[in-house]
Amino acid sequence: QTVVTQEPSLTVSPGGTVTLTCASSTGAVTSGYYPNWFQQKPGQAPRALIYSTTNKHSWTPARFSGSLLGGKAALTLSGVQPEDEAEYYCLLYYGGAQLSWVFGGGTKLTVL
Amino acid sequence: EVQLVESGGGLVQPGGSLRLSCAASGFTFSRSWMTWVRQAPGKGLEWVANIKEDGSDKYYVDSVKGRFTISRDNAKSSLYLQMHSLRAEDTAVYYCAKGRGGDFWGQGTMVTVSS
Repeated sequence: QTVVTQEPSLTVSPGGTVTLTCASSTGAVTSGYYPNWFQQKPGQAPRALIYSTTNKHSWTPARFSGSLLGGKAALTLSGVQPEDEAEYYCLLYYGGAQLSWVFGGGTKLTVL
Repeated sequence: EVQLVESGGGLVQPGGSLRLSCAASGFTFSRSWMTWVRQAPGKGLEWVANIKEDGSDKYYVDSVKGRFTISRDNAKSSLYLQMHSLRAEDTAVYYCAKGRGGDFWGQGTMVTVSS
């Protein structure tokens, strides 16, 4: 059973910078896992932020960026705003005969 | 404007069946992979299934294989999820999403499996 692991919770001050990570139980995350990142606020549907490791959607604020860091996928928020307080999920693609996608457990980001 | 509207959720007894629908608009449905994702109450997201543009390829999470079937009608710009042998652990909000990675999501429909 493939497991994708994220930090359960992180806290950041307004204006600060924070990096969320996404690890795979199968080994290092590479661009071939096509990491996606999503933001979900309470009572709302998830909203896509990043696809294929680094690519932003047209609606993604510039302060969000995606990368690979130390064998993990990473989402960095620079100049955090109060409205960035939310749950963040990563999604990894696992190819092969049993193609599947697996979400991480989510990171609750608190802006304090 | 891209819109995805799910419907068909509700209360069903264990072992029962339900068919979810997702009406799509604002993009070329027939050129997009489509995905179902679910979220149990108070829990994280779980990828359930997705389907290729022409319906020729379908993929499922192990826990629903043999019980759920994803399908689409490109003429109606609609996505479906037929669910059989429902279990308590299938209780969740079910989201329809555009693309393999889910670049746009509907608001979801709640499925409750309980006696």
